Amino acid sequence: AAGVIQSPRHLIKEKRETATLKCYPIPRHDTVYWYQQGPGQDPQFLISFYEKMQSDKGSIPDRFSAQQFSDYHSELNMSSLELGDSALYFCASSNSQDQETQYFGPGTRLLVL
Amino acid sequence: GESVGLHLPTLSVQEGDNSIINCAYSNSASDYFIWYKQESGKGPQFIIDIRSNMDKRQGQRVTVLLNKTVKHLSLQIAATQPGDSAVYFCAETLPNRDDKIIFGKGTRLHILP
Repeated sequence: AAGVIQSPRHLIKEKRETATLKCYPIPRHDTVYWYQQGPGQDPQFLISFYEKMQSDKGSIPDRFSAQQFSDYHSELNMSSLELGDSALYFCASSNSQDQETQYFGPGTRLLVL
Repeated sequence: GESVGLHLPTLSVQEGDNSIINCAYSNSASDYFIWYKQESGKGPQFIIDIRSNMDKRQGQRVTVLLNKTVKHLSLQIAATQPGDSAVYFCAETLPNRDDKIIFGKGTRLHILP
């Protein structure tokens, strides 16, 4: 079965640079979620989109923005990167018709030097 | 073996024994609970879920128990196998806020040969 696809899988950036993470949800899933997981930490919700509209917002810094496109894929844009942004970034997707189960992608590991 | 997930981040269990991972959730209004398994370098994988109108749900080799009185959730894994080694997260959502998963602190499960 198709799963959530994230790219890139690994990314190295320097401070103050920008990064764009991409997420391709499971086919027919209309909702995407972004989470950040620091080393040894639990995933923290950042933001979610349903039908290309932002549906909820969590602890996402103002330096970050995200959007969902007409094909339901989503991009997380991160600017003015800081050392503390180094983390695993997960995207999850769900089908609003199929209860609440969120399926997670493999994550993008971002390292800010 | 048994652990209080929030206070004992590591649980070691003999292969073949049953594992019990515990979790205390904070919000009495939470109405949907999920257990995720996260293997090293991978995204959280859905294991089993339960709604607040139930107190027990069984899957394949896994059982989730919910005690709303004391806001306690547990995951039981029968006949633990080496492939069960992972970090296990309990998670909750609030009514009408199913787009935001709140993860608890993970418990790392070690399987002893």
